[in-house]
Amino acid sequence: DARVTQTPRHKVTEMGQEVTMRCQPILGHNTVFWYRQTMMQGLELLAYFRNRAPLDDSGMPKDRFSAEMPDATLATLKIQPSEPRDSAVYFCASGPGQPNTEAFFGQGTRLTVV
Amino acid sequence: GENVEQHPSTLSVQEGDSAVIKCTYSDSASNYFPWYKQELGKRPQLIIDIRSNVGEKKDQRIAVTLNKTAKHFSLHITETQPEDSAVYFCAARRSNYGQNFVFGPGTRLSVLP
Repeated sequence: DARVTQTPRHKVTEMGQEVTMRCQPILGHNTVFWYRQTMMQGLELLAYFRNRAPLDDSGMPKDRFSAEMPDATLATLKIQPSEPRDSAVYFCASGPGQPNTEAFFGQGTRLTVV
Repeated sequence: GENVEQHPSTLSVQEGDSAVIKCTYSDSASNYFPWYKQELGKRPQLIIDIRSNVGEKKDQRIAVTLNKTAKHFSLHITETQPEDSAVYFCAARRSNYGQNFVFGPGTRLSVLP
């Protein structure tokens, strides 16, 4: 059963610290999404990659957030420095990149910044 | 860009009754419309989807309808059960590369026993 794997599942950190979240997309998928979920804002797109190239990161605060795909099996989302308002669940999703196909979500990383 | 609205934000029904959730989208070029179910503390999972060349699709107790002219689509759940209680998200996407999924704000469905 192919799944998107995210680590860590939970992260508590102090304000100002760097946070790195990792995602392993489903093997063979060439599109990767990072979403942030909060009660107030719902599912917000932070970044979107196709074939490891960023296509849309307009929803990501550039001053503190960065997203990369060092290789096809790893996507990372970094926050530096972290702030309490970054507390949320961060989801990674991947898709096969074909038209009209779904995105498969990982279990998410619940981030708490104190 | 695409904008997806979803109503209602919360919905309570009695077990066995039907539930309907409605979404509208703004980009007429969108042609793929999935619905995701998210249980508490879990990830969103696809439950049904519809493409723009189809007006209706059904899978057991779940059905989705699409009206391209009006730019709205709806999720219908019949014979609701307590395990249907969750948050449901609609989404819209254009099929050409470079277009991400835009999600609605979600509907919290509670099925009362």
